[in-house]
Amino acid sequence: EAQVTQNPRYLITVTGKKLTVTCSQNMNHEYMSWYRQDPGLGLRQIYYSMNVEVTDKGDVPEGYKVSRKEKRNFPLILESPSPNQTSLYFCASSLLSTGRGETQYFGPGTRLLVL
Amino acid sequence: GESVGLHLPTLSVQEGDNSIINCAYSNSASDYFIWYKQESGKGPQFIIDIRSNMDKRQGQRVTVLLNKTVKHLSLQIAATQPGDSAVYFCAEMGDTGTASKLTFGTGTRLQVTL
Repeated sequence: EAQVTQNPRYLITVTGKKLTVTCSQNMNHEYMSWYRQDPGLGLRQIYYSMNVEVTDKGDVPEGYKVSRKEKRNFPLILESPSPNQTSLYFCASSLLSTGRGETQYFGPGTRLLVL
Repeated sequence: GESVGLHLPTLSVQEGDNSIINCAYSNSASDYFIWYKQESGKGPQFIIDIRSNMDKRQGQRVTVLLNKTVKHLSLQIAATQPGDSAVYFCAEMGDTGTASKLTFGTGTRLQVTL
């Protein structure tokens, strides 16, 4: 089954404790992206990757890091989480590097609470 | 700055009626638009897309209309069903010259009443 998986689905942590949210896709997609979703703000792009070892900032990259060492995985790293990073996070992937004409497939989401 | 927005945060319709969800965009360079459906506890799911060289596109029970003159996008759902209850997002993709970048609206919640 073609899918995007994220782990963990739910996470409660404390300020400053480094964490990683994993994202994996089995569709051989070049393009992967991370979004955060907050009430009243919709989905905002954090980082995206056009292929292995190619990453770039989205609209709200501050406080986040990503890596793309393998095509299927695109982990989101919070080196020192803060309460304003409490949010619902989605990973997405698409077939074409530019994403044009192709849809993005979204993972199920990771709900993060930073105390 | 450029933005994608929605006219109504919540829309309530009766089962069997048609639903119309609106979206305004301000980036005149946008040339590709997508509607997503997000059910509670799930990630956004693609519904339908449209390119700027079109003004209408139809899918199964859904139609997207694009009016570039007034920068307006709408999603029409025919014979709305309870399973259509969800939050609907429009998203636009402009010519970034580098990679795909979706800009999402804030979403409209569709409530289907029996």
